[in-house]
Amino acid sequence: AQTVTQSQPEMSVQEAETVTLSCTYDTSENNYYLFWYKQPPSRQMILVIRQEAYKQQNATENRFSVNFQKAAKSFSLKISDSQLGDTAMYFCAFMRAEVGGATNKLIFGTGTLLAVQP
Amino acid sequence: DAGITQSPRHKVTETGTPVTLRCHQTENHRYMYWYRQDPGHGLRLIHYSYGVKDTDKGEVSDGYSVSRSKTEDFLLTLESATSSQTSVYFCAIGPPGSYEQFFGPGTRLTVL
Repeated sequence: AQTVTQSQPEMSVQEAETVTLSCTYDTSENNYYLFWYKQPPSRQMILVIRQEAYKQQNATENRFSVNFQKAAKSFSLKISDSQLGDTAMYFCAFMRAEVGGATNKLIFGTGTLLAVQP
Repeated sequence: DAGITQSPRHKVTETGTPVTLRCHQTENHRYMYWYRQDPGHGLRLIHYSYGVKDTDKGEVSDGYSVSRSKTEDFLLTLESATSSQTSVYFCAIGPPGSYEQFFGPGTRLTVL
């Protein structure tokens, strides 16, 4: 069974600074996807970034980037130039790349609550 | 935003009563999912559907049932609600050929 671990329950960063959120996972699969979701106080789940395991290049989306270390089973999220609107709970998630895309079940970590301080 | 709505958005009920939560999508996607979110657990999959009348269990399915009679609607039923089912419930949809899921706004359920 796959598991996802986020070892930082809470983090804080000053506005305009850079912060890195950690995520590790355990799987015997070779093909899979990793995701970071953001959940602001509104409770809406928002996809931040996605990484395909077969890609060596780290994914980036504007101020958000990941450090994907497949051998170490590590998938950290870096937020550059932190903004007040980045204050949210961040969830790391894993999905097997099933043949035919059959069920696409997400397995989530327990989340990291990030507070951006003015 | 993906066209996903959930109803009701908030509900308070008593132990032992039946509860049905509704997820409605306007995207005509095949895959739909129900998750629950609890502190210290993240989101956990309850049930999912891969087509009309095709459903299967997820990680925490005990005490829940689902039905999908139309592509656009996926219902989650608690036959006899218990306090341990107090949670925030999220519906999600998954476009075919994509590994992304889009989430509804969530339903906060309190069982007294």
